Amino acid sequence: AQKVTQAQTEISVVEKEDVTLDCVYETRDTTYYLFWYKQPPSGELVFLIRRNSFDEQNEISGRYSWNFQKSTSSFNFTITASQVVDSAVYFCALSEPQHDAGNMLTFGGGTRLMVKP
Amino acid sequence: DSGVTQTPKHLITATGQRVTLRCSPRSGDLSVYWYQQSLDQGLQFLIQYYNGEERAKGNILERFSAQQFPDLHSELNLSSLELGDSALYFCASSRGGGGSYEQYFGPGTRLTVT
Repeated sequence: AQKVTQAQTEISVVEKEDVTLDCVYETRDTTYYLFWYKQPPSGELVFLIRRNSFDEQNEISGRYSWNFQKSTSSFNFTITASQVVDSAVYFCALSEPQHDAGNMLTFGGGTRLMVKP
Repeated sequence: DSGVTQTPKHLITATGQRVTLRCSPRSGDLSVYWYQQSLDQGLQFLIQYYNGEERAKGNILERFSAQQFPDLHSELNLSSLELGDSALYFCASSRGGGGSYEQYFGPGTRLTVT
């Protein structure tokens, strides 16, 4: 069965610090997709990134970067020079599609990031 | 704004009652998903519809049911409500039905059962 673990339940940093959110996943499939979502205090879930299991290239988008390592089943998320607006709960999620049989996301427990001014 | 709309935003009802949550997917999306977010269970997948047909099912209670209509909007029906059903219910949509598609979430409906 698929599983996503976000061991850090809460992280507190001071503005401009770099912060890394950890995500470890378990799957028996060779084809799978990994996602990160952000849930700000307003409550909506905002899609950040999707990664497929065959693409281990790291990705950078502005102050955000993602490090995917199949060898350790990890998909970590780093925010560089954090800002107060980054304060939110961040969720890592896994999808194991079987042909076109469906697409359920399995979410980790989330990491609450608090960025203090 | 993801383009997914959900109504109502808040719902307060009593135990034993029945409610209907409504979702309209992003324009062009064929698949709709329902998720429940609660403090004790976290974010859990309930059910997926693709172009009107049920595609995948999670740990959805028998008291809960859903459907997707020809215009692709979806409704989640919750009946015989219990205190433990109080949660934030999200609808999401995606272009296709498979796992390669990212899901875009609506703002959620916060259900409070008293």
